[in-house]
Amino acid sequence: DVKVTQSSRYLVKRTGEKVFLECVQDMDHENMFWYRQDPGLGLRLIYFSYDVKMKEKGDIPEGYSVSREKKERFSLILESASTNQTSMYLCASSLAGTTNEKLFFGSGTQLSVL
Amino acid sequence: DAKTTQPTSMDCAEGRAANLPCNHSTISGNEYVYWYRQIHSQGPQYIIHGLKNNETNEMASLIITEDRKSSTLILPHATLRDTAVYYCIVPNFGNEKLTFGTGTRLTIIP
Repeated sequence: DVKVTQSSRYLVKRTGEKVFLECVQDMDHENMFWYRQDPGLGLRLIYFSYDVKMKEKGDIPEGYSVSREKKERFSLILESASTNQTSMYLCASSLAGTTNEKLFFGSGTQLSVL
Repeated sequence: DAKTTQPTSMDCAEGRAANLPCNHSTISGNEYVYWYRQIHSQGPQYIIHGLKNNETNEMASLIITEDRKSSTLILPHATLRDTAVYYCIVPNFGNEKLTFGTGTRLTIIP
């Protein structure tokens, strides 16, 4: 069964901390994505990656960076966490291909920044 | 992505067919319609997608109008576990990142 695994289900951090959210997929997918989800705003794309060491900004990249050193792993980094980054973070992956937008999602990480 | 319009919320009685509409009047000829759902506290789950023909799988049926400006997702025999937010998405052709709106919150009533 295909799987996207996010390292933590719940995370509590303090303002100013550097935060790493990890995501691993076992499907050999080329594409990986980080979204955040807030009440009333739906899912918003932060960053995505088409291949190892490649990254593209999504709709709301400010305050975030990413790292893709290996194909199966895509990390989201909050350089200096702030309270407005309290959110549910969702990682997803998909096969490369112009008509294959079938995304597989992880269960999410609920991050609270105090 | 092409803009989609969905009702904010819907109710459906358990055991009945749930019909979820989506308008996508600006869709282009080579753009697919995708449906996902998100059960509370989980990540979104792919349901089905289609281009112009009606599609059916083990989860649902997708009916796309002939002019492709709207579609309907049908859950033939809704159960309580189908309570979720349902997203209709039309990604730009060649665009591998999906834009999720706020979807339709479907509540199945016992």
